[in-house]
Amino acid sequence: KNEVEQSPQNLTAQEGEFITINCSYSVGISALHWLQQHPGGGIVSLFMLSSGKKKHGRLIATINIQEKHSSLHITASHPRDSAVYICAVFPNLYSGGGADGLTFGKGTHLIIQP
Amino acid sequence: KAGVTQTPRYLIKTRGQQVTLSCSPISGHRSVSWYQQTPGQGLQFLFEYFSETQRNKGNFPGRFSGRQFSNSRSEMNVSTLELGDSALYLCASSRSGGEETQYFGPGTRLLVL
Repeated sequence: KNEVEQSPQNLTAQEGEFITINCSYSVGISALHWLQQHPGGGIVSLFMLSSGKKKHGRLIATINIQEKHSSLHITASHPRDSAVYICAVFPNLYSGGGADGLTFGKGTHLIIQP
Repeated sequence: KAGVTQTPRYLIKTRGQQVTLSCSPISGHRSVSWYQQTPGQGLQFLFEYFSETQRNKGNFPGRFSGRQFSNSRSEMNVSTLELGDSALYLCASSRSGGEETQYFGPGTRLLVL
């Protein structure tokens, strides 16, 4: 069974701090997604990764396929970054990942205080 | 380009009833996936439709079903509602499905009394 673990579950930081959210998974994957969910429910896809590193504005996402681990970094954090960040993986059928579509972590509740 | 739309946005039903939720994908997207989000279980994959065919299914009972029409719009149906079906139901669309980036709708919040 594919498990996705995120840490920390909750994170409160001051504006301007460097933020790191971690994601570990247990099976072979084709891709890993980082999602952002604001209060009210709307979900936005931030990154899709299959290797290496991607950057968009103040957000950076990295993945280590061998270690089955990904990180999401936020530089110069701002109160508008306050949201739930969710890691999701799409299994690789040829690596024993199963065929269950996206499997999600429980999310990291991030609060950035001014 | 219009985003993914879902109707209705809010719904209250009683146990034993059935419900149908609708999802209109982004124009040109042929894959629609459905997800259930609850405080206890988080986000869980229900099923994916592509070109009117169910391509993938999560671990949910047969009371949960769906379909996709030729214009790629999708519906999901839950029969014999249970209290535990109270959740936010999200759909997401993409061009071809699978591992590619998905675009989420705002969700339908279902409350079962």
